[in-house]
Amino acid sequence: GENVEQHPSTLSVQEGDSAVIKCTYSDSASNYFPWYKQELGKGPQLIIDIRSNVGEKKDQRIAVTLNKTAKHFSLHITETQPEDSAVYFCAAISSRGSQGNLIFGKGTKLSVKP
Amino acid sequence: NAGVTQTPKFRILKIGQSMTLQCTQDMNHNYMYWYRQDPGMGLKLIYYSVGAGITDKGEVPNGYNVSRSTTEDFPLRLELAAPSQTSVYFCASSPPAAGGISPLHFGNGTRLTVT
Repeated sequence: GENVEQHPSTLSVQEGDSAVIKCTYSDSASNYFPWYKQELGKGPQLIIDIRSNVGEKKDQRIAVTLNKTAKHFSLHITETQPEDSAVYFCAAISSRGSQGNLIFGKGTKLSVKP
Repeated sequence: NAGVTQTPKFRILKIGQSMTLQCTQDMNHNYMYWYRQDPGMGLKLIYYSVGAGITDKGEVPNGYNVSRSTTEDFPLRLELAAPSQTSVYFCASSPPAAGGISPLHFGNGTRLTVT
């Protein structure tokens, strides 16, 4: 089955710097890659997603890139702000699986220092 | 819309006790899910449902049961609580989508401690 590895587990940056979180997946049939942000005491919230027919997607300060050949995808946050501090999860799902087969990485705790 | 609502927010159980974690959504989503989140381990799928009357096992279903009698509600039942079930439980829902994949909407979780 699918396996998703996420790195780093913790990341500390200065306000205004960029942050990059990387994930790799094992199933070449995976075709949907969402990123979730989880603030303390709350449930994860979708911030951006990408499908396998697209190489890059941007939404203001957030971008996701996908390399299908290497089976990895990355989250890029530019001009980080203290409110970006949270735990970020990547996930992947195979087209062979059902909607219930979304596999999550173990998370990255991002700290943005003012 | 309130989105996905989970109750209770916190609960302490003794070993062997039973309880039901409640989850309701007001977005008319077909799909609903239960995940557990353990420190440093990400989210693991317990059970999911593609519609009323239909449920299926996820990655870690042992020790849990679910039912889906209505589109809105998807309760999770623990029959004989064990310390290994100490975790934060998240309910989520999603609408049907082209290609069969759509974003999940999560509740704010139930923190359960079994002692």
